[in-house]
Amino acid sequence: EAQVTQNPRYLITVTGKKLTVTCSQNMNHEYMSWYRQDPGLGLRQIYYSMNVEVTDKGDVPEGYKVSRKEKRNFPLILESPSPNQTSLYFCASSFREGPSGELFFGEGSRLTVL
Amino acid sequence: AQKVTQAQTEISVVEKEDVTLDCVYETRDTTYYLFWYKQPPSGELVFLIRRNSFDEQNEISGRYSWNFQKSTSSFNFTITASQVVDSAVYFCALSEANYGGATNKLIFGTGTLLAVQP
Repeated sequence: EAQVTQNPRYLITVTGKKLTVTCSQNMNHEYMSWYRQDPGLGLRQIYYSMNVEVTDKGDVPEGYKVSRKEKRNFPLILESPSPNQTSLYFCASSFREGPSGELFFGEGSRLTVL
Repeated sequence: AQKVTQAQTEISVVEKEDVTLDCVYETRDTTYYLFWYKQPPSGELVFLIRRNSFDEQNEISGRYSWNFQKSTSSFNFTITASQVVDSAVYFCALSEANYGGATNKLIFGTGTLLAVQP
């Protein structure tokens, strides 16, 4: 089954404790990205990757890091989480560059930073 | 600047009523794509439709229909004979071919919460 898998789905952590949200897709997609969803703001792009070892900032990259060492994986790293990073996070992937490709979303990871 | 506006924050209807969710977009691009996603209470995002800027034909899929009007920069979504299972947050989104570059980035509206009462 074609899917984008995120882990963990739910996490409560404390300020400053490094954490990683993993994302893996089994569709051989070149493109992957991370979004965060906040009430009243919709979803905003954090980082994206066009292919292995190619990553770039989205609209709200502050406080986050990413890496793309393998095509299927695109982890989101919070080096020192803060309460304003409490949010619902989505990983997404697609086959090709440009907007014609439909984005496939993971099920979301709800993060709470105390 | 690119932007998607969903002015309706919340809508409440009674089952079997028709309901229209509004979406207005702004873009500098002549080639772009518009999307609707559904987010049920379980939280995942469910893709509903993609429409490119050169195709203004309205589309119907079962109880769902979409009205794309470039003249008013709108891409409205109508649910006919609504059901309780339609209760969800609905997002409209825009992706630009040129100014978005090859980023495949979606610009989302803030969403409309639809509550269908039995």
